[in-house]
Amino acid sequence: DGGITQSPKYLFRKEGQNVTLSCEQNLNHDAMYWYRQDPGQGLRLIYYSQIVNDFQKGDIAEGYSVSREKKESFPLTVTSAQKNPTAFYLCASNPTGSDEQFFGPGTRLTVL
Amino acid sequence: QQQVKQSPQSLIVQKGGISIINCAYENTAFDYFPWYQQFPGKGPALLIAIRPDVSEKKEGRFTISFNKSAKQFSLHIMDSQPGDSATYFCAASGLNTGNQFYFGTGTSLTVIP
Repeated sequence: DGGITQSPKYLFRKEGQNVTLSCEQNLNHDAMYWYRQDPGQGLRLIYYSQIVNDFQKGDIAEGYSVSREKKESFPLTVTSAQKNPTAFYLCASNPTGSDEQFFGPGTRLTVL
Repeated sequence: QQQVKQSPQSLIVQKGGISIINCAYENTAFDYFPWYQQFPGKGPALLIAIRPDVSEKKEGRFTISFNKSAKQFSLHIMDSQPGDSATYFCAASGLNTGNQFYFGTGTSLTVIP
């Protein structure tokens, strides 16, 4: 099946620990995105990448880091510098030249 | 600054009724306006989308109305069903915005049987 997978579905971490969220796609899409979703605030862009080995900050990049070493993979690290990391994180992708974004199932991160 | 403003925040509609969700934008560089449907604990899924060259697009029970001069667009769900109960997001993007998507804050729709 083609699609976007995010793992794990639920993640718990202690405050002060870095944590990496996985995003993999087998759709051969060039562009990939990370969003954060909080109640009542919609989706806010953290980072995006249009091609391998290149990425740009979104509106709320502080406290997060990404890498794009492979076309299929765009992992997001939530660092200890992120003040309020508890949220639902969504990964998305779209092919070059197309506007349609495809979303993964999301990872709910809870920091205790 | 919120690039796309969405209202209402929540909506309750009786089965068979019409659900209407509105969005407004400021950036005239936007040229793609999708609506996404999201069920609890799931990722959003594209429902329907429109470009500024048409004023209306219909797919089944879902219709987008687009008013370019007012910079507004809305989603109409005809004959609303309990299975339509979900959160709906409008969004906007454009080539001149680096293909970034800007999302509204979402509308929680509940359809009462």
